[in-house]
Amino acid sequence: EVQLLESGGGLVQPGGSLRLSCAASGFTFSGYAMSWVRQAPGKGLEWVSEITYSAGRTYYADSVKGRFTISRDNSKNTLYLQMNSLRAEDTAVYYCAKDSYGYPDHFDYWGPGTLVTVSS
Amino acid sequence: SYVLTQPPSVSVAPGKTARITCGGNNIGSKSVHWYQQRPGQAPVLVIYYDSDRPSGIPERFSGSHSGNTATLTISTVEAGDEADYSCQVWDSSSDHWVFGGGTKLTVL
Repeated sequence: EVQLLESGGGLVQPGGSLRLSCAASGFTFSGYAMSWVRQAPGKGLEWVSEITYSAGRTYYADSVKGRFTISRDNSKNTLYLQMNSLRAEDTAVYYCAKDSYGYPDHFDYWGPGTLVTVSS
Repeated sequence: SYVLTQPPSVSVAPGKTARITCGGNNIGSKSVHWYQQRPGQAPVLVIYYDSDRPSGIPERFSGSHSGNTATLTISTVEAGDEADYSCQVWDSSSDHWVFGGGTKLTVL
């Protein structure tokens, strides 16, 4: 059974940093691209970032480029999102999602999400 | 940047058919994916590659697209179908995923 579990969310001050993790199990993690998607309170889904199966390519939404960094450790079956220079508008539930292929493709599994609150 | 437009809400009586649209420039040339999100839960894939259903998704869910509009159709709607539905495409010109704003389906 595919399982994705995010961690690392919490309350952080504007300008601060946070690192999210997503522990994956139940599939060959190294064979699939992975993504981060966020959802601000009462809003729709917003794609944040994606990384290919081997980390050969990364992609970022314009709203986070230069501030967020996606990475993965295939030996630990874990996806990461390093978030720097956080702003109030980054407040959201952050989901990790498994792509159905090694490169960008639809998301066939999602984690339950972790809440990030940016506030002073 | 590529934009997907969905109606904020759609209402339907139980047993009837719900149609949720997703508009985008020449969306018929892209692969469209659809997600269902019940309140307080993570999204679930319900349609991929325009019209394919993942295992476990009822046949009542179907998808189509042509021209500038993609449509998610839910036939014989049940109370349990009440949720937010979002469309998604990959914009190859920007190498970005794009989501529609989401449509709240209300079962009357």
